[in-house]
Amino acid sequence: SQTIHQWPATLVQPVGSPLSLECTVEGTSNPNLYWYRQAAGRGLQLLFYSVGIGQISSEVPQNLSASRPQDRQFILSSKKLLLSDSGFYLCAWISGGGNEQFFGPGTRLTVL
Amino acid sequence: GQSLEQPSEVTAVEGAIVQINCTYQTSGFYGLSWYQQHDGGAPTFLSYNALDGLEETGRFSSFLSRSDSYGYLLLQELQMKDSASYFCAVREDTGGFKTIFGAGTRLFVKA
Repeated sequence: SQTIHQWPATLVQPVGSPLSLECTVEGTSNPNLYWYRQAAGRGLQLLFYSVGIGQISSEVPQNLSASRPQDRQFILSSKKLLLSDSGFYLCAWISGGGNEQFFGPGTRLTVL
Repeated sequence: GQSLEQPSEVTAVEGAIVQINCTYQTSGFYGLSWYQQHDGGAPTFLSYNALDGLEETGRFSSFLSRSDSYGYLLLQELQMKDSASYFCAVREDTGGFKTIFGAGTRLFVKA
């Protein structure tokens, strides 16, 4: 069966510090991968998506970046965090022919 | 541009039926999904409609009208555990199955 992992579960970082969030998927190959951010009590904002290794589409201009160094690994990064980067970060995947997005457990990031 | 509209909050009593509407505006529409999210958790998939009509899965049903750019989620025999946020999401006909989520509807189920 397929599983999706995200870590860390929670993170508190000072403004201006770097960020690296990792997402890995098991039990499937060549998934489409997604990063979303959710502010408290709000909807999901699509940040990046990837259809394959090294292929990244950016949805919102910001100080975040994403990379896909391996088929089932998706990394979200920042060189310098802003207060506005606080939120719940969710990684998701979908198979090429599927209709359902499977979400990871999320990382709750607080920037102070 | 893309936009999805759904009510911010709905309140209903246990055992009742509730309908959550979603209207959307997008280019290259491919399908409409619904997700449930409990506080502190990740969204979980409920249903998907690509064609007009009603899809039924147990107590939950979802409807789509492509010509009206409109869909709804119908929850029957409400239970307390159904208290959660419900998101409609549009899947666009672009490479990568780009999916855009609405702001969510908070459902409160009262005894």
